Amino acid sequence: DQQVKQNSPSLSVQEGRISILNCDYTNSMFDYFLWYKKYPAEGPTFLISISSIKDKNEDGRFTVFLNKSAKHLSLHIVPSQPGDSAVYFCAARPSGTYKYIFGTGTRLKVLA
Amino acid sequence: KAGVTQTPRYLIKTRGQQVTLSCSPISGHRSVSWYQQTPGQGLQFLFEYFSETQRNKGNFPGRFSGRQFSNSRSEMNVSTLELGDSALYLCASSLPQGNTEAFFGQGTRLTVV
Repeated sequence: DQQVKQNSPSLSVQEGRISILNCDYTNSMFDYFLWYKKYPAEGPTFLISISSIKDKNEDGRFTVFLNKSAKHLSLHIVPSQPGDSAVYFCAARPSGTYKYIFGTGTRLKVLA
Repeated sequence: KAGVTQTPRYLIKTRGQQVTLSCSPISGHRSVSWYQQTPGQGLQFLFEYFSETQRNKGNFPGRFSGRQFSNSRSEMNVSTLELGDSALYLCASSLPQGNTEAFFGQGTRLTVV
């Protein structure tokens, strides 16, 4: 049972445009959400997070939006750069725990 | 500040053998978690340790075990290896409380033949 789903395995975007990566979850007990970026042969790198009490968090070119009623999370990257090409994972933490449930990832390719 | 260090980086084992992987967390991080990454499956949570105690556990068979030492370093062990255990094993460390992100090591690539 996949509690965190990233339904788009891949996404291609032109350099300078907006990249929107989506994530859906089923467990209403998640209280903290994160996005990670992963390059081949490296561990995931933390990008940005959001608490369930907020609906938006921004850090530079990265913005995460949380829609609790739809159980939907999205990551916006503006403007997209070729160096952003990587696999992006969303993750969610069940309330009262210290484990993270990850989606299966979306491979982003930013075209120069 | 040193990051999360995992050793070894690569490992090849035969079916039926056992393996031990090691993880040194970021200094000051007392929570250590382990994940398994296989193609198409994302990162699957194995377990999380804090103060030498397993605090959370994922849905893996008992062949997968771990421990944490008093200096927060952690090891995970897989016994009676199966071909399906071939994966990238990732360790992450974090502060033990509150809303905090996990910092990952580069992983150990285990191949079972």
